[in-house]
Order: sequence, then structure tokens, then C-alpha cells
Amino acid sequence: AQSVAQPEDQVNVAEGNPLTVKCTYSVSGNPYLFWYVQYPNRGLQFLLKYITGDNLVKGSYGFEAEFNKSQTSFHLKKPSALVSDSALYFCAVSFYNTDKLIFGTGTRLQVFP
Amino acid sequence: EAQVTQNPRYLITVTGKKLTVTCSQNMNHEYMSWYRQDPGLGLRQIYYSMNVEVTDKGDVPEGYKVSRKEKRNFPLILESPSPNQTSLYFCASRSTSGRAGDTQYFGPGTRLTVL
Repeated sequence: AQSVAQPEDQVNVAEGNPLTVKCTYSVSGNPYLFWYVQYPNRGLQFLLKYITGDNLVKGSYGFEAEFNKSQTSFHLKKPSALVSDSALYFCAVSFYNTDKLIFGTGTRLQVFP
Repeated sequence: EAQVTQNPRYLITVTGKKLTVTCSQNMNHEYMSWYRQDPGLGLRQIYYSMNVEVTDKGDVPEGYKVSRKEKRNFPLILESPSPNQTSLYFCASRSTSGRAGDTQYFGPGTRLTVL
């Protein structure tokens, strides 16, 4: 079955330190991978996506993610975290010739001053 | 500004009282979808629509109805709401030119409480 796993419910990091939010997936065929962020009382905002090509994808607000086919992962990273990055992050996966976007359960990122 | 709008943003209602949550997009997208977000479960798809008059069930369609009479609008209807439908609801849209690779754009969400 197609699925997405975000193994950490919460990630805590100090401001200025690098952050990683983990995502692994299981789909048949080549995946299309997405990261969305949800700030308090706001909708989901698109951060970045991997469709094909370079495994390192750069997105909004200084975030980037690396597609690793052998490990079936798509971890979200940022070199230097900001307090304003504190939010709920969702990884999602789709694949060719489907209309479904499958979401992970979300990871709450807390950046401390 | 390109956007997906939902109304109302917040709604408290009682069991059995029919309600409709509206969704509208101004990006001329063919594909629209409804999700519900529950703690620990992420987002789950309720219904989706590939175009006008074309709708299909998602993963959790029970207790919901949708219609797609116009390309820009995709209302979610709860004929007889129950407390287990208390949730945060999101509408989304995308074009279908690239199928699954196109980005879905989400509305601001509707927080529904059914007493």
C-alpha cells in the first residue's frame, strides 16, 4: 500500500542550529514528493517538491529537501533554524497517473530562542 | 491574487443540522479536493473532482456529499452531521496538466465542531 511516514511527532531545535524533519515513503513506481507547512490558524502552504532531476530541491523560506531513492526518503532541511519556522510540517507523496496525494501524519517543529 | 477560499472559517453546529462549506478557486484549476485533518492522522481525502460534473470518493467519504456544477466551486455538504465529523477541513485545487506532479494549493481551512 502507498504510504508516507513521518517518524517524529515533534522536533525541537535551538535557533541558529540546523534542522531536519524526516520523511520516508512507500509507493510503487516513481514518486512525486511534496512538503507543506501549516502555521497556527493558517492553511497549508507549499514549500517544495521533487518531481525528477536533481535530488536536492530548494524551496521557500530557505528550506531544502533531498530525495534519496535507495532509502526512500525525502527529509526536509534548513541550515539555520529561525523561531518563526515553528509550525506543523507535512510530507506528501503522489505518483504518476494518480489523482491522490497521500499525507504523512505531520511533524511539529519547535525552534527555541 | 491566486487563491482558494473557504467559508465559513469556523462553525459550531448540532447533530443532524445540515450544513454546507463552500470552496472557491480563481486559478481555473480542473482538479479540486476536500480533506479533513485530525490529530495524529494527518490529512485524509474526503472527495475529489477532476472537472465539472466529475466527482469521486476519497478515503473517508462517509457522511459527506459534494457537487461540481461550476469549475471554480466545490462545496462540501454534510446532510446530517455527527460529532465524529468534528475536524479541520481543507479544500485544495490544482491543474491537471501535469497530473500528479502539479502542486495542490490549499484554502485556509474550516474548523467544524458538531455538538
